[in-house]
Amino acid sequence: AAGVIQSPRHLIKEKRETATLKCYPIPRHDTVYWYQQGPGQDPQFLISFYEKMQSDKGSIPDRFSAQQFSDYHSELNMSSLELGDSALYFCASSSAAGGIGANEQYFGPGTRLTVT
Amino acid sequence: QKEVEQNSGPLSVPEGAIASLNCTYSDRGSQSFFWYRQYSGKSPELIMSIYSNGDKEDGRFTAQLNKASQYVSLLIRDSQPSDSATYLCAASGGYQKVTFGTGTKLQVIP
Repeated sequence: AAGVIQSPRHLIKEKRETATLKCYPIPRHDTVYWYQQGPGQDPQFLISFYEKMQSDKGSIPDRFSAQQFSDYHSELNMSSLELGDSALYFCASSSAAGGIGANEQYFGPGTRLTVT
Repeated sequence: QKEVEQNSGPLSVPEGAIASLNCTYSDRGSQSFFWYRQYSGKSPELIMSIYSNGDKEDGRFTAQLNKASQYVSLLIRDSQPSDSATYLCAASGGYQKVTFGTGTKLQVIP
């Protein structure tokens, strides 16, 4: 079965640079979530989109922005990168048509961002 | 206080034993509960979802939910070394937002 695709898988940037992370949800999934996970920490919710509209917002810094496109893929844009932004960034997707299982989230493999 | 609480472990069990992982949540409006397994450096993998009180079994895994006690558990029977991972409990109070616990590290000793 098709899974969530994320690109790139690894990214190295310098401080103050910008980065763009991409997420392609499971086919027919209409909701995308972004998480940040630091070493030894649980995934921290950043932001989510449903049908191309922002649906929820978590602890996303103002330096970050995201959007969901007409083909349901999503991009997380990160500017003025700081050393503390180094982390694993996961995208997850779900289907609102899933009934009671509508918020079963399936995670992509993640993008490991290193800021030097 | 986190909305979803787990003992960080590590929880060590011998191979073949039952591993019992526990989780409590504070939001009484939570309706959906999930267990994810995460290997180091990898993404969380959904292994169980439970929505109503009682037990739900899937292979070697059994999830248990008690909404009155705000308690969720995961039992892993016949534990294998390959089960060694961090197990994340998650709860959802409504559409879309899911809150994760900090995870319990399980070590299965051969």
